[in-house]
Order: sequence, then C-alpha cells, then structure tokens
Amino acid sequence: TQLLEQSPQFLSIQEGENLTVYCNSSSVFSSLQWYRQEPGEGPVLLVTVVTGGEVKKLKRLTFQFGDARKDSSLHITAAQPGDTGLYLCASDSGGYQKVTFGTGTKLQVIP
Amino acid sequence: GAVVSQHPSWVICKSGTSVKIECRSLDFQATTMFWYRQFPKQSLMLMATSNEGSKATYEQGVEKDKFLINHASLTLSTLTVTSAHPEDSSFYICSAEAGRANVLTFGAGSRLTVL
Repeated sequence: TQLLEQSPQFLSIQEGENLTVYCNSSSVFSSLQWYRQEPGEGPVLLVTVVTGGEVKKLKRLTFQFGDARKDSSLHITAAQPGDTGLYLCASDSGGYQKVTFGTGTKLQVIP
Repeated sequence: GAVVSQHPSWVICKSGTSVKIECRSLDFQATTMFWYRQFPKQSLMLMATSNEGSKATYEQGVEKDKFLINHASLTLSTLTVTSAHPEDSSFYICSAEAGRANVLTFGAGSRLTVL
C-alpha cells in the first residue's frame, strides 16, 4: 500500500495570501487526485493528474504532478475564506478503483 | 452528475447496540462501493470494498464480524456496526465509481456517536 504524506498538516493564513500543499510518496503514482472536504461532508474531487510534469489549473488553484510521478503539489493564489477545508491527495494504489488517501492538510483562511 | 447518498447523516446509539448505515447510488449502478472511516482531524482510512452479490473485502486490521457489509443490489450497500462501543464513534463515508475510471463519487458521510 502506498503511503501518501502531505505537508503541512495544518495551515492557517490570512485572506489574500498564497500557499502550497505537498503530497509525497516513495512509490510511483499511476494517477493522483486532489480532493477538498468540508466539515461534515464527503470529499469532492478537484482534479486528476496522470502525466509526469503535468500542470492543471482550476481558477486560483494550480496542481502539479512531479516528473517522476512520486509527488504532487497544490498551489492556491490569493486564498479566500471559501478555500477553507481539508485538502486530500489520493492515489489508486495500483488497484482498480481502490483509492488511498494522503494524510491530509487542514487549511484555514482567515478573513 | 453522479450522486451517492448516505443515510442516516448522523446517529447516536447506546453502547452494545447495532447501527446500520446505507449507501445508495442514485442515478447510476455500482458493482463496487467503498467504505471509509474518518476520525476527527484525520484523513480517510479505507475499511472495506463492497462487492455486489459477493462478500466484501476487508482491509487489514478491520474486523469483518464487527463491521458487516451487505451489497445486495447494484445501487445499495449497507454497513452495520455490530455491538457498537464508544471507540466506534467516527465519521463513516462511502464512495462508488460513476463513469470515469478511478474517479470516485463520495457520499456526504454518516456521523456515528456511541454513548
């Protein structure tokens, strides 16, 4: 089973600041997803990256997949209070449909 | 879009009782569903894979007699926490694949509190 380590574990920033969240593994990912989860809700898929070196943008969110497909990052520009939540990276662990989640990064954006 | 519904969204029970949580795919069929457990401020941990018409596959360390899973139809999987104890209190989330390979849709979760 792949172990997906995320950093930082917690992050509290002021509105308008930029931030980056990292997801790392010792194994190679076949694909990687990023989710955001709000309290009392299930995770919601933000993006899936598949190709090494791939960069995807979703409004103020930029997702990057490492060239070796062992790591990924999520960068948020000009964070808003609505960005507050638990950010989770996830991989299919090489098994069909079976998704393993990273350790999570709890983000709080203060107005 | 694909919707996965869980019921109940929260439940409180006494220690020693059993609790059933339902996971339904509302507008698609799911031969496989997944059950996760999440403790406060932690990530999701996969408990088991629910397979329609056959036995569930449990992850290492998850007691299959404690967490009974039934997937009797293509749109419904149930998780029963038997003889619940306070340490079973947690947020239980199910998911299913709808359409795109390896892209899961998650339910809104069920919060269980055992007194």
